[in-house]
Amino acid sequence: DAKTTQPTSMDCAEGRAANLPCNHSTISGNEYVYWYRQIHSQGPQYIIHGLKNNETNEMASLIITEDRKSSTLILPHATLRDTAVYYCIVRGAKNNDYKLSFGAGTTVTVRA
Amino acid sequence: GAGVSQSPRYKVTKRGQDVALRCDPISGHVSLYWYRQALGQGPEFLTYFNYEAQQDKSGLPNDRFSAERPEGSISTLTIQRTEQRDSAMYRCASSLLQYNEQFFGPGTRLTVL
Repeated sequence: DAKTTQPTSMDCAEGRAANLPCNHSTISGNEYVYWYRQIHSQGPQYIIHGLKNNETNEMASLIITEDRKSSTLILPHATLRDTAVYYCIVRGAKNNDYKLSFGAGTTVTVRA
Repeated sequence: GAGVSQSPRYKVTKRGQDVALRCDPISGHVSLYWYRQALGQGPEFLTYFNYEAQQDKSGLPNDRFSAERPEGSISTLTIQRTEQRDSAMYRCASSLLQYNEQFFGPGTRLTVL
């Protein structure tokens, strides 16, 4: 799987948009960008994924650059409950490899 | 509906004992994954199944670790002759098909004394 690079940590204000960057410069054509988050000691929670088009769901938006070498997860109105570790993961169908390779993630702290 | 469940939630054992960790996936989910998570780190892949077939066990650290899913539903991860370094959170996830998003269970916290 392609490697991803994320900032170690970031703070954001409650009620404001949180923009989480991720670099994946070695991504290949059939690999998707997935985002998961982990709140405290809970199991990881799926947020969103995309291939090359921007995606939006009830939780977040995913913006993928045209060259697909980076992406941004947007939490439109961060709340205190969005405080978590956010993982950007590249996952593909190469060699039937569907496992998730979690890195260190970005620790996001939402402050009142 | 019911999510992924794991049992026990906490397991304390003595070094050298065998342990069996159970995962009950979401009903109808074909794929089942096992991960291990050390404190302060992201989960690391151990093994996964499609139905009852073990597709990839490349993440199992050594031959003391094994997993099965005999009827394509519930899975058991077994660790033989446990060692202190096996202490971690063991997480199970399932997905409808192997390329769909994975849903994680609450995990089993294993402590080896």
